[in-house]
Formats: sequence, structure tokens, C-alpha cells
Amino acid sequence: EIVLTQSPGTLSLSPGERATLSCRASQSVSSSSLAWYQQKPGQAPRLLIYDASSRATGISDRFSGSGSGTDFTLTISRLEPEDFAVYYCQQYGSSQKTFGQGTKVEIK
Amino acid sequence: EVQLLESGGGLVQPGGSLRLSCAASGFTFSSYAMSWVRQAPGKGLEWVSGISGSGGSTYYADSVKGRFTISRDNSKNTLYLQMNSLRAEDTAVYYCAKDYAGSGWFRGAFDIWGQGTMVTVSS
Repeated sequence: EIVLTQSPGTLSLSPGERATLSCRASQSVSSSSLAWYQQKPGQAPRLLIYDASSRATGISDRFSGSGSGTDFTLTISRLEPEDFAVYYCQQYGSSQKTFGQGTKVEIK
Repeated sequence: EVQLLESGGGLVQPGGSLRLSCAASGFTFSSYAMSWVRQAPGKGLEWVSGISGSGGSTYYADSVKGRFTISRDNSKNTLYLQMNSLRAEDTAVYYCAKDYAGSGWFRGAFDIWGQGTMVTVSS
């Protein structure tokens, strides 16, 4: 099973700042099969990025994904108030699909 | 509007069984693989099981293999999860989720999620 480790656990930033979230895999993720999700309290997750760098339908271009192999990054260029939430990475390149433990982006 | 609506959650004793359903609308159901993903209270996300668009191929997390069975009825646009031999650690919100890729092939990333149904395993 591929273990995904997200860092930092919590990111305290102000609106307008840039957020950089990391996701490291315990082994190489096949075909850059990595996704990022946003989850707000009491809501279902929302797909932001798939295939490591492709934005999902309707997702703002403030969100971008990069990386390959074992190291992946989600960047939010300028934080808006609605961006404060928990973010999860997920790999789907192996038979056991796994999620990271999440990064909480909170208002500083 | 694309929509997924789960039902069937509730309180069950350890060792008991429960069947979850997910009614889909707004897209060609048979063209997409589907999955169940769960989230224990205050915890992260865990993929549970997936099924191809035709229903011919099924996939399970090691934690539920042999206890849970995923199925679908494309004539009713409905996804199911039969859960047997339930344990306390199965307590979670269970989400139904649509695969982001079409063609029916199971990829395992999800662009549409239901609102979830709570399953509590406790005596």
C-alpha cells in the first residue's frame, strides 16, 4: 500500500497569501495518478486536481497542481476566504487507493 | 444536475449487517465506475470499494475484503454496498462517489460525491 504523507499538518495564512501544500508518497505513484480534494466542515470532499496537474471542471485557476514520482504539490496562488478548509491528496495508481491525512489551511 | 443520494445508514450491533444504497441522476450511470469512500468521525478519508461501469469488475480495500460487497443496478441507476460482520472501526460517514473518467473503466479518483450516510457500529 502506498502511504501518502501531507505537510504541514496545519497552515496558518492570511487572505491574499500564497499556500503551498506538500504530498509525499512512500513509493512512486504510477502515471502521476494523484488527485487533490478540498473539504469544508459538514460537506463532502470536492475534486480540485486530477492526474497531478489537471484542474477539475469549474475549479478556479488559483489552484494548481504539480509533481511526479513521489513528490507532489498543491499551490493556491492567492487565498480567498472560501479557500480555508482541509485539503487531501489521493493516489489512484495502485490497486489500493489511498489518501493523505490532510492539511488544514486556517486563517491566521 | 448531477446528483448522488445515499441511504441506508444507521445504528447496528457489532457482527451485524447493513446495506447502503446510492441513487444517481443527471448522468449516464452505466458509463462511469463508482466507489464508496468513508470517513470516521474527525478523521480522514478512506477508499472502501469500487466497481466498473458494467459491474463486471469489483475492487476492495484490504480492510473490508471478504466482509463488504459492492454491486450496481444500471437499470435503476443505483449503487449498493452490502456490509457484513461489521466492526466498531467501520463506524463512519459513507460517501458514494463517481469516477472522474468516463468509459466505465475504474480509475479511482472522484469528481462527484454524495452527502454521505452515517453508519454507527455499537452495542
